[in-house]
Amino acid sequence: SYVLTQPPSVSVAPGQTARITCGGNKIGSKSVHWYQQKPGQAPVLVVHDDSDRPSGIPERVSGSNSWNTATLTISRVEAGDEADYYCQVWDNGGALFGTGTRVTVL
Amino acid sequence: QITLKESGPTLVKPTQTLTLTCVFSGFSLSTAGAGVAWIRQPPGKALEWLGLIYWDDDKIYSPSLKSRLTITKDTSKNQVVLSMTNMDPVDTATYYCAHVGGWFDPWGQGTLVTVSS
Repeated sequence: SYVLTQPPSVSVAPGQTARITCGGNKIGSKSVHWYQQKPGQAPVLVVHDDSDRPSGIPERVSGSNSWNTATLTISRVEAGDEADYYCQVWDNGGALFGTGTRVTVL
Repeated sequence: QITLKESGPTLVKPTQTLTLTCVFSGFSLSTAGAGVAWIRQPPGKALEWLGLIYWDDDKIYSPSLKSRLTITKDTSKNQVVLSMTNMDPVDTATYYCAHVGGWFDPWGQGTLVTVSS
């Protein structure tokens, strides 16, 4: 079965850039969606179709997807970006989530 | 504006059947392309997709849970119901419903279900 692998944690200083990866076999051939989940809250979509931002998501949040790795990039990181982030794809008609990455702002 | 809200028991006993309801507004499940998904998250763990139902009553379930899940819809009431049989303590989780439009957006607030005797 298809597996999406994310690093458990990423630490970044305020103002710097956080990069969260999502690895999967030939994931570049799939559309990847990203969700942000803050403690005690429901997940929120931050990127869909690899790199499209829903309305209300700042431009400093971006996504890319190539070969075996999709990446969510958060530029000029702020304290409010501290959260868990999950990637998601569709595989054989069903949905699959990544293992999740906790972003800590130092 | 699309909103969804889950409701159901907060505590179920092992072997019982869990029934959760998702009431939504801002879209209709009679509109082509519309769908509602169920996703759960055990405390401190990752998200797990359970299944979904589309406007045409097509249903897709997680292969690992397919034998225990049933998802139905009541279009007139804007409701989707999840049933999960033979509940076990490992099924303790926050259960979310979400609007499906190629991705999951938005999500309901979630409801915590504890499985314990």
